Amino acid sequence: DGGITQSPKYLFRKEGQNVTLSCEQNLNHDAMYWYRQDPGQGLRLIYYSQIVNDFQKGDIAEGYSVSREKKESFPLTVTSAQKNPTAFYLCATGRNTGELFFGEGSRLTVL
Amino acid sequence: QKEVEQNSGPLSVPEGAIASLNCTYSDRGSQSFFWYRQYSGKSPELIMSIYSNGDKEDGRFTAQLNKASQYVSLLIRDSQPSDSATYLCAVGGAYSGSARQLTFGSGTQLTVLP
Repeated sequence: DGGITQSPKYLFRKEGQNVTLSCEQNLNHDAMYWYRQDPGQGLRLIYYSQIVNDFQKGDIAEGYSVSREKKESFPLTVTSAQKNPTAFYLCATGRNTGELFFGEGSRLTVL
Repeated sequence: QKEVEQNSGPLSVPEGAIASLNCTYSDRGSQSFFWYRQYSGKSPELIMSIYSNGDKEDGRFTAQLNKASQYVSLLIRDSQPSDSATYLCAVGGAYSGSARQLTFGSGTQLTVLP
């Protein structure tokens, strides 16, 4: 079954904790992305990767980190340095034509 | 800073009518344009992509692009209550590297009234 799998779907974090969101794909797309969405707002780019072992900061990378050790996986760590982490996090893969395809998302809440 | 602007709505249309959603963008060199549909609490779903000036039709959906006016629109014909969602406009950059970095508008909320 082809697609993008994000886990967990819901996550609660205490202040000061790091959390890691998983994103796995079997679409064989080179490019992978992490976006953040806040209520009533559009998507903002956190990090993206166009090939294995390489990634670039997006518009709001502060307080986040990523790795891209294999093509299928692009995990996002939300660190304690991120002051307002409560949001809906979306992982996407991209075709060379620019079209993005999204996973189901992970909803992070800080307690 | 690249900007993509959409009317936030809400936009309400009666069932069977044409819904018209509009988007403007600031980067004159942008090359790729997309419309996504997002149901409440769900992730965005790609419904249309357009790369050259003019109209592109897919079923009940028509995307229109005017690069000179930096304007892209989405028309939904014969609107159905199931079309009620937020529609996100996304624009890709001007060169091959940035073309795959999409900038999203904040979305237009559409309600189709039975």
